Amino acid sequence: QQQVKQSPQSLIVQKGGISIINCAYENTAFDYFPWYQQFPGKGPALLIAIRPDVSEKKEGRFTISFNKSAKQFSLHIMDSQPGDSATYFCAASMRAGNMLTFGGGTRLMVKP
Amino acid sequence: GAGVSQSPSNKVTEKGKDVELRCDPISGHTALYWYRQSLGQGLEFLIYFQGNSAPDKSGLPSDRFSAERTGGSVSTLTIQRTQQEDSAVYLCASSLDSGFNYGYTFGSGTRLTVV
Repeated sequence: QQQVKQSPQSLIVQKGGISIINCAYENTAFDYFPWYQQFPGKGPALLIAIRPDVSEKKEGRFTISFNKSAKQFSLHIMDSQPGDSATYFCAASMRAGNMLTFGGGTRLMVKP
Repeated sequence: GAGVSQSPSNKVTEKGKDVELRCDPISGHTALYWYRQSLGQGLEFLIYFQGNSAPDKSGLPSDRFSAERTGGSVSTLTIQRTQQEDSAVYLCASSLDSGFNYGYTFGSGTRLTVV
């Protein structure tokens, strides 16, 4: 059972544009929502994370928006750059156990 | 080292052979995880070790898969009688068991190819 659904599977954005990746979850016990960035040949790296007690978290050009009632959260990349081209994964876990459940990933390409 | 180290980085094996994949977590990280990533796919949870507790093996796909963690540090994932569908990148990650804003630190993975 896929508990975290991610869309789109792939995304092409022009340099300077906004990249938006969406995730939806089913398990209401989830209370930690990180995003990971993965470059080819490397393991995923933590990008930004949010708790459900806030609706938005911003770090530089990266923003997570969280909608608890809709059980959805999204990653916005402002002023997207070619160096942002990577695969992005959303994830979720419960406080009681810290095993992460990952979404299927989004392959982002930022065209110069 | 400062990061999670996995070895080998690449492994080609014949169908039916056994393989062992090694993970050296970050020193002091009490939690260790194994995930599998098939080509173009997401990350599939395999097994989770937390301190001295019994491991969570709920993600292991079959009894051909097993893992151990010695001395709360190094972990070995063993796949017996490998099959072609076992071909994937096997990722290890570790994390601190404290606080809420923990994050995983992943290794670069072992790319396993079963021919």
